[in-house]
Amino acid sequence: AQTVTQSQPEMSVQEAETVTLSCTYDTSENNYYLFWYKQPPSRQMILVIRQEAYKQQNATENRFSVNFQKAAKSFSLKISDSQLGDTAMYFCAFEEFRTSGSRLTFGEGTQLTVNP
Amino acid sequence: KAGVTQTPRYLIKTRGQQVTLSCSPISGHRSVSWYQQTPGQGLQFLFEYFSETQRNKGNFPGRFSGRQFSNSRSEMNVSTLELGDSALYLCASSFFTAGSSYNEQFFGPGTRLTVL
Repeated sequence: AQTVTQSQPEMSVQEAETVTLSCTYDTSENNYYLFWYKQPPSRQMILVIRQEAYKQQNATENRFSVNFQKAAKSFSLKISDSQLGDTAMYFCAFEEFRTSGSRLTFGEGTQLTVNP
Repeated sequence: KAGVTQTPRYLIKTRGQQVTLSCSPISGHRSVSWYQQTPGQGLQFLFEYFSETQRNKGNFPGRFSGRQFSNSRSEMNVSTLELGDSALYLCASSFFTAGSSYNEQFFGPGTRLTVL
């Protein structure tokens, strides 16, 4: 079974600064997807960024980028130029490569607070 | 396009009762997944439905069941409620493409269930 671990329950950063959230995972699969989801106080889960395991290039979405280290099974999220609206719970998630359905495995979450 | 909707948003029940939660996916989406979110266990996958058939199932007791209708709307039922069933229940829908290994999941706002 796959497991996802986020070792930082809480983090804080000053507005406009950069912060990195850590995530490690364990799997015997070779093909899979990794995700970072954001859950603001509204509880609406929002996809931030996605990484395919077969791609060596790290994914980037505007101010959000990842550092994917497949051999180390590490998948960190870097948020640049942090904004107050980035305050949320961030979940790292894993999904194995499959053509018959979806099933996400989530980490425990990291509560990020952006301070003015 | 309207997002995933879940009803009701809040629900209070007592131990031993049963409850039914509803999820309406994004128009055109045929896959619906359910997740339970609790402070202690985090986010856990319950089950996924596609074309009125359960395609994937998590590790939950038989008290948790679901179904999907021909219009892709899904319901989740929990019988004989226990205090530990208090949670935020999230529904996610995706547009399944045959042969594709990845289909982005879009989450609803959740139903907050409190069991007294």
